[in-house]
Amino acid sequence: QSALTQPASVSGSPGQSITISCTGTSSDVGGYNYVSWYQQHPGKAPKLMIYEVSNRPSGVSNRFSGSKSGNTASLTISGLQAEDEADYYCSSYTSSSTPWVFGTGTKVTVL
Amino acid sequence: EVQLVESGGGLVKPGGSLRLSCAASGFTFSSYSMNWVRQAPGKGLEWVSSISSSSSYIYYADSVKGRFTISRDNAKNSLYLQMNSLRAEDTAVYYCARVGGSFTFDYWGQGTLVTVSS
Repeated sequence: QSALTQPASVSGSPGQSITISCTGTSSDVGGYNYVSWYQQHPGKAPKLMIYEVSNRPSGVSNRFSGSKSGNTASLTISGLQAEDEADYYCSSYTSSSTPWVFGTGTKVTVL
Repeated sequence: EVQLVESGGGLVKPGGSLRLSCAASGFTFSSYSMNWVRQAPGKGLEWVSSISSSSSYIYYADSVKGRFTISRDNAKNSLYLQMNSLRAEDTAVYYCARVGGSFTFDYWGQGTLVTVSS
């Protein structure tokens, strides 16, 4: 099972919006609405930001939103803030022999 | 409050063994599937292994199959990962993570570092 493909880095200025893509196949991202997004600050554990493609857990800012089209899922951060600077990973359930796969990760830089 | 606390990491020689533990609290442990996810230094997240709530279903990444064994003790609210025949490429921070609904890792521990080096 290959990792889902994410851009290595995305940057934006405070207040701007950025979008991170996560590309898989019909066996994972395209086949199920079980795409999640995680935020990870340096030296910290990942934190769930989005589940089931577009749902936010309680306590997560509504500046974070998710969507999916075909085999590609996306995470959008609007009103970018300094605290959003972190690594972001997508993950998806898969129909392969290994039930989960993560994305390659994207480093978000706030300029 | 949900808490997951890993322990058991450390320095081990190639070919050696190590057993990781994850102590869970703040939720009904026996009702949830649990996973191990690792992160090599400077690298991304890699799913390692999963165990269902009653241990009926167990899965491993190809990279650890045959060398790692996941288990759990619901009476002790604990998750384990027995790691044998360790290799340098197993060096990573190992996280335990709870599977909430929708195949989502909704809670994570703080991680424990495993270093495989001679």
